[in-house]
Amino acid sequence: KQEVTQIPAALSVPEGENLVLNCSFTDSAIYNLQWFRQDPGKGLTSLLLIQSSQREQTSGRLNASLDKSSGRSTLYIAASQPGDSATYLCAVSSGYALNFGKGTSLLVTP
Amino acid sequence: GAGVSQSPSNKVTEKGKDVELRCDPISGHTALYWYRQSLGQGLEFLIYFQGNSAPDKSGLPSDRFSAERTGGSVSTLTIQRTQQEDSAVYLCASSTQPGTGAGNTIYFGEGSWLTVV
Repeated sequence: KQEVTQIPAALSVPEGENLVLNCSFTDSAIYNLQWFRQDPGKGLTSLLLIQSSQREQTSGRLNASLDKSSGRSTLYIAASQPGDSATYLCAVSSGYALNFGKGTSLLVTP
Repeated sequence: GAGVSQSPSNKVTEKGKDVELRCDPISGHTALYWYRQSLGQGLEFLIYFQGNSAPDKSGLPSDRFSAERTGGSVSTLTIQRTQQEDSAVYLCASSTQPGTGAGNTIYFGEGSWLTVV
């Protein structure tokens, strides 16, 4: 059974800092890995999707990398802003279902 | 509609009662998913629909849970004889292509917050 772990569980940084969120998974037989953002009381918003054949994806200040063989992904957020405060979820796809980590709760303070 | 719509947004029910949760996916999306998010837990896959059929029901936690989809659109998740451990956010999602292996974007609704008292 695929297990997805996210570290740290919570993170607080001052505005302007660059930061890295980590995701690891136990079964490297995946189709893709996605990073989502969840705001309190809201659904999930897809941020980046990395296919299993890719190494990284970038969108604005976000960069996600994938090392499938070692079962790791990182989400890099550059020049963090208070509006980045949210829970970030990592999910891997091995078929129909997405397997999610428990998320990293990020707080960016002004 | 513009996004995935779920109703009710909040539901408080007494233990033992049945509840129905509704999901209206994005128009034209053939794939529909239900997930559950319990306090302090990650999202848990419940069921997947391709059109009106459910090739994967493996995530339904017990026979008190059932789901259907009609007209390739609206889906209903029914929980019978609710228990306190059913309290969670039930999230619906849809995508244009079947499954998640194709790498297509999956869109989530804002969820139905269920509290069983």
